[in-house]
Amino acid sequence: DVKVTQSSRYLVKRTGEKVFLECVQDMDHENMFWYRQDPGLGLRLIYFSYDVKMKEKGDIPEGYSVSREKKERFSLILESASTNQTSMYLCASSTGVPNTEAFFGQGTRLTVV
Amino acid sequence: AQSVTQLGSHVSVSEGALVLLRCNYSSSVPPYLFWYVQYPNQGLQLLLKYTTGATLVKGINGFEAEFKKSETSFHLTKPSAHMSDAAEYFCAVTPSGSARQLTFGSGTQLTVLP
Repeated sequence: DVKVTQSSRYLVKRTGEKVFLECVQDMDHENMFWYRQDPGLGLRLIYFSYDVKMKEKGDIPEGYSVSREKKERFSLILESASTNQTSMYLCASSTGVPNTEAFFGQGTRLTVV
Repeated sequence: AQSVTQLGSHVSVSEGALVLLRCNYSSSVPPYLFWYVQYPNQGLQLLLKYTTGATLVKGINGFEAEFKKSETSFHLTKPSAHMSDAAEYFCAVTPSGSARQLTFGSGTQLTVLP
């Protein structure tokens, strides 16, 4: 089975801290994604990466950056955490084949206080 | 650009009753369509997908969906609800030929009443 692992299930950080969310997939997938999930808004794409060191902005990239130094790992960085970044963050991966689905991690619930 | 509309953020059904969750999409090119389910405190899991071919798609746990191009719809159904179906359901669309541009609806929370 495909496994997408997010390093933390729950995180509590202080305003202004630099926060790293880590995601690892074990299926050699080309594409990796970071989504933010908020009630009533569904999933919104923050960034995605289609290859090592390659990235593209999604719908809501402001306040976030990403890093993909190895194919299996995709990190989301909150440069200076703010309370409006309190949310559920979901990582996903998929192959480069268009008709295949994305596989999701368990999510990281981040609270910024 | 594509978009997804899920009608009804909350749906309640009795155990054993029909489940119908609505999804309408817009896409400038033929779409690929997906339904995902999210159980509490978990990530999303694929229920079913439509890419090409048969428009009635069967998925896991007894769910199915029908792609209707004329109505730009991809509604999710299950003939008889079970308590274990209580979860949040997301419809998603991507333009055919692009694995990168997956767009999700806002989700429908399904409650199953005893």
